[in-house]
Amino acid sequence: NAGVTQTPKFRILKIGQSMTLQCAQDMNHNYMYWYRQDPGMGLKLIYYSVGAGITDKGEVPNGYNVSRSTTEDFPLRLELAAPSQTSVYFCASSPNAGGKAFFGQGTRLTVV
Amino acid sequence: AQSVTQLDSQVPVFEEAPVELRCNYSSSVSVYLFWYVQYPNQGLQLLLKYLSGSTLVKGINGFEAEFNKSQTSFHLRKPSVHISDTAEYFCAVRGDNYGQNFVFGPGTRLSVLP
Repeated sequence: NAGVTQTPKFRILKIGQSMTLQCAQDMNHNYMYWYRQDPGMGLKLIYYSVGAGITDKGEVPNGYNVSRSTTEDFPLRLELAAPSQTSVYFCASSPNAGGKAFFGQGTRLTVV
Repeated sequence: AQSVTQLDSQVPVFEEAPVELRCNYSSSVSVYLFWYVQYPNQGLQLLLKYLSGSTLVKGINGFEAEFNKSQTSFHLRKPSVHISDTAEYFCAVRGDNYGQNFVFGPGTRLSVLP
């Protein structure tokens, strides 16, 4: 069972570069999320989606964009990478409000 | 909006000793409550969750948590820990309305010592 798959696992970017973090789930979940995890800060919600074609901002959306053209995929785009975006990024999905969230393995991003 | 407080950033404990990881939350709506565990270099895994019903919830790996509405708490407990329980533990809440999202606490690092 694949669950939630994130790619890449590691990436180093230079300031000003752009990239897309990929996230795919094969559980037909409606809800998908992107979090960033900074040391001692827990997880902060960047963007979320409650279904294909529907996205909304979370707690820390600045510097990021998302799209949800299919139920399965929820890519996160960084347009102009900044050192403040150095973090571990987690994608997650859940079937509904009370269902558990399934997390991907994370993407460790370093911006230099 | 919801918020979550985990009062202890680090909890060292000896193997086979009991442990309690504290979690308090605030919310203007009814919530679902979760505990997640993160082992080194891995994603988060669900330990247990409270949606409704019995306030004592049992999860995987011998963990349990008790929902206390009057104290807005959801503390995690284990009567006897193992070395393999060393990990980061996150408490999370979620409103029960459509579109509500998980709000995570800052995490508690549990270190089990031999």
